Amino acid sequence: KNQVEQSPQSLIILEGKNCTLQCNYTVSPFSNLRWYKQDTGRGPVSLTIMTFSENTKSNGRYTATLDADTKQSSLHITASQLSDSASYICVVNTGGFKTIFGAGTRLFVKA
Amino acid sequence: EAGVTQFPSHSVIEKGQTVTLRCDPISGHDNLYWYRRVMGKEIKFLLHFVKESKQDESGMPNNRFLAERTGGTYSTLKVQPAELEDSGVYFCASSIGQGIGNEQFFGPGTRLTVL
Repeated sequence: KNQVEQSPQSLIILEGKNCTLQCNYTVSPFSNLRWYKQDTGRGPVSLTIMTFSENTKSNGRYTATLDADTKQSSLHITASQLSDSASYICVVNTGGFKTIFGAGTRLFVKA
Repeated sequence: EAGVTQFPSHSVIEKGQTVTLRCDPISGHDNLYWYRRVMGKEIKFLLHFVKESKQDESGMPNNRFLAERTGGTYSTLKVQPAELEDSGVYFCASSIGQGIGNEQFFGPGTRLTVL
């Protein structure tokens, strides 16, 4: 069964601190993996996309990693800001254009 | 350039009533997708249009849901009759193509509450 599991479910950190969100997937065949940021009341917005051969991808203070062997991905946020408070969703696309979403990690950044 | 827009932003209806959700994709995007997030669960795929044709409707839960995209522009998703378990946030997304590099752009969603 195609599944995407994220951890933790929620996370509270202080402004300026770093954090790492995890994503494990059991999706086959694998095409690519995206991390999305979803602000409250808005739709998800893509942060990074990685294919099978890519190990890391950065977008500003966001750095995603992918280990296709262990089927794990992480999203590292550096020097967090209040505006980083949002849900972060890991999404895996299969070779047949199926899109499998994780339940997301809810991040709260406090001043 | 305008993004994906959805209407209404919120809808509260009673069980048994009919509701129609609308999605306007980004101009020029042939691919349009409907997704749903029920309370506490992950976002799930409902269906995918390429222009006016249904490419994949494997995620539609049952025949109470009807999606259309006449003319290949905006799309509607009708729920008739609505049931309590239909409550959730319905997202629409659009993309230029279907390949790896084709990002799906999401609308803000319609929050549906069935009482």
